[in-house]
Amino acid sequence: GAGVSQTPSNKVTEKGKYVELRCDPISGHTALYWYRQSLGQGPEFLIYFQGTGAADDSGLPNDRFFAVRPEGSVSTLKIQRTERGDSAVYLCASSLNRGGSPLHFGNGTRLTVT
Amino acid sequence: DAKTTQPNSMESNEEEPVHLPCNHSTISGTDYIHWYRQLPSQGPEYVIHGLTSNVNNRMASLAIAEDRKSSTLILHRATLRDAAVYYCIRYVVGNQFYFGTGTSLTVIP
Repeated sequence: GAGVSQTPSNKVTEKGKYVELRCDPISGHTALYWYRQSLGQGPEFLIYFQGTGAADDSGLPNDRFFAVRPEGSVSTLKIQRTERGDSAVYLCASSLNRGGSPLHFGNGTRLTVT
Repeated sequence: DAKTTQPNSMESNEEEPVHLPCNHSTISGTDYIHWYRQLPSQGPEYVIHGLTSNVNNRMASLAIAEDRKSSTLILHRATLRDAAVYYCIRYVVGNQFYFGTGTSLTVIP
């Protein structure tokens, strides 16, 4: 079946602009996670949704970052007033969230802020 | 602290077994041990997970110490396609998956 889909795969934007990154999880997966990964580092947790609600948003670096999942399926990560330091690969993952259910990742969106 | 400790890098010869160690000394009874791997320019890929007993699947085996403070991911016969960064994660149910910097595995032909 279809895996986790992230669009766009690449995004180049100018400093100060607003961007939206989209994640389509695997159908039926109730849990959805956003991570950010810089070169040479492991994925850094940003936010975790259980259904429509954010169960944990403690990883969001500041109030320029916001994420939604209005119908409990597709999620959008929104970044306002982008800065060069926001440049990274943004990864989305979904899971059934039963016990130790594994995460299924998309291939990420590479964001470059110029 | 839900973090784990892994060596930064390891090497293996092709077609030989590889044992990737992980320490999770503060693990509690209901925490799962997950392993993921990441190839260049791809998202992490699930490898295996377990709770208490050793686990086997088509990709690898997971050996969990009796006290659960450490585990070992075993690739039975390394191939060039197994070259990746391997992440060991202590998953607290209902919580996030914390990734460290993982072990970069080099497979030598």
